[in-house]
Amino acid sequence: NAGVTQTPKFRVLKTGQSMTLLCAQDMNHEYMYWYRQDPGMGLRLIHYSVGEGTTAKGEVPDGYNVSRLKKQNFLLGLESAAPSQTSVYFCASSYSDTSKYEQYFGPGTRLTVT
Amino acid sequence: RKEVEQDPGPFNVPEGATVAFNCTYSNSASQSFFWYRQDCRKEPKLLMSVYSSGNEDGRFTAQLNRASQYISLLIRDSKLSDSATYLCVVIANTGNQFYFGTGTSLTVIP
Repeated sequence: NAGVTQTPKFRVLKTGQSMTLLCAQDMNHEYMYWYRQDPGMGLRLIHYSVGEGTTAKGEVPDGYNVSRLKKQNFLLGLESAAPSQTSVYFCASSYSDTSKYEQYFGPGTRLTVT
Repeated sequence: RKEVEQDPGPFNVPEGATVAFNCTYSNSASQSFFWYRQDCRKEPKLLMSVYSSGNEDGRFTAQLNRASQYISLLIRDSKLSDSATYLCVVIANTGNQFYFGTGTSLTVIP
């Protein structure tokens, strides 16, 4: 049982390049989330999904797209990377009853855009 | 206005001390509350949920004050291993979104 995994762990992009971050969970969770964490800003929700085939915008969705084609996977895409997207990206998952069940986080992806 | 606000610290306390963190939230309809712990360069992990009646887990006590819209975390008999950043988390009344505070940094000194 690996929990939540993220690939890659580190990446350096040039401005304008694109990439996809992959999140996978093996806990059969309905909900999945993508956050970014920046110094002094805390964790901010980018997009989330409440089930396979559904996605919704979070607090800071601009510049990102997501897809949830399979229940266990949640992909985060950057179509044209900008230096402002330099951050640590965390994926998380949870059961649907969020009042009772915690979020489980992946180890994070450290992205630098030059 | 931020959904959740925390004093970032840092708090530097000696081993054995008692330390308390507070966190305020802006949405009075918020339904669930948690404290997470994040070690340096690691992912956040659940420390404990916060119940309306208050709850305790060993050396850790969490309290919720709905009237004043704040939650608190009390750590007694601090250990070196308690050194971390503590994040308060509030779930919106929609139940779908978790709002994280910026975290309070704690260092326990020998």
